[in-house]
Amino acid sequence: EAQVTQNPRYLITVTGKKLTVTCSQNMNHEYMSWYRQDPGLGLRQIYYSMNVEVTDKGDVPEGYKVSRKEKRNFPLILESPSPNQTSLYFCASSPRTSRGYTFGSGTRLTVV
Amino acid sequence: AQSVSQHNHHVILSEAASLELGCNYSYGGTVNLFWYVQYPGQHLQLLLKYFSGDPLVKGIKGFEAEFIKSKFSFNLRKPSVQWSDTAEYFCAVSYNNAGNMLTFGGGTRLMVKP
Repeated sequence: EAQVTQNPRYLITVTGKKLTVTCSQNMNHEYMSWYRQDPGLGLRQIYYSMNVEVTDKGDVPEGYKVSRKEKRNFPLILESPSPNQTSLYFCASSPRTSRGYTFGSGTRLTVV
Repeated sequence: AQSVSQHNHHVILSEAASLELGCNYSYGGTVNLFWYVQYPGQHLQLLLKYFSGDPLVKGIKGFEAEFIKSKFSFNLRKPSVQWSDTAEYFCAVSYNNAGNMLTFGGGTRLMVKP
């Protein structure tokens, strides 16, 4: 089944403790992206990647890192999480020729 | 910066009522337009999309949207809503000068009363 898989689905952590949220897609998509969803703000793009080893900042990149060493994986790294990064995170992927994303199931992160 | 506005933050309707959700975007160039739906506790699912051609687009579950270029709008409509349409709806735009990147509106939370 074609899908975008995020792990974990839920995560509670403490301020300053490094964490990684994984994202994997099995559709051979070139484009991958991370969004955070906050009430009243919709989805805001954190980082995106147009292909392997090609990443760029979205609208709200501060406090986040990404890497794209393989086409299928696009992990989101929080080196030193803070409470304002408490949010619902979505990974998404898209083929280069089609301008619409498939979304993962989301990761609800709480930083205390 | 390009932006997407959804003017209705919360909408409450009774079953069988007609629905129209507004979406406006700020960019004057070539755009691709999307509506996504998020049912409670779930991820986003694509309802419909517009790239070119007929500005009236039909999507899944009886939804449709009309692209009006002169008004920078892409409003979502459904003639008769059902209780199962209770969800949050997001308009999104990708701009051809920004590759494949999506900019989302703030969302409209729809509640349909049985």
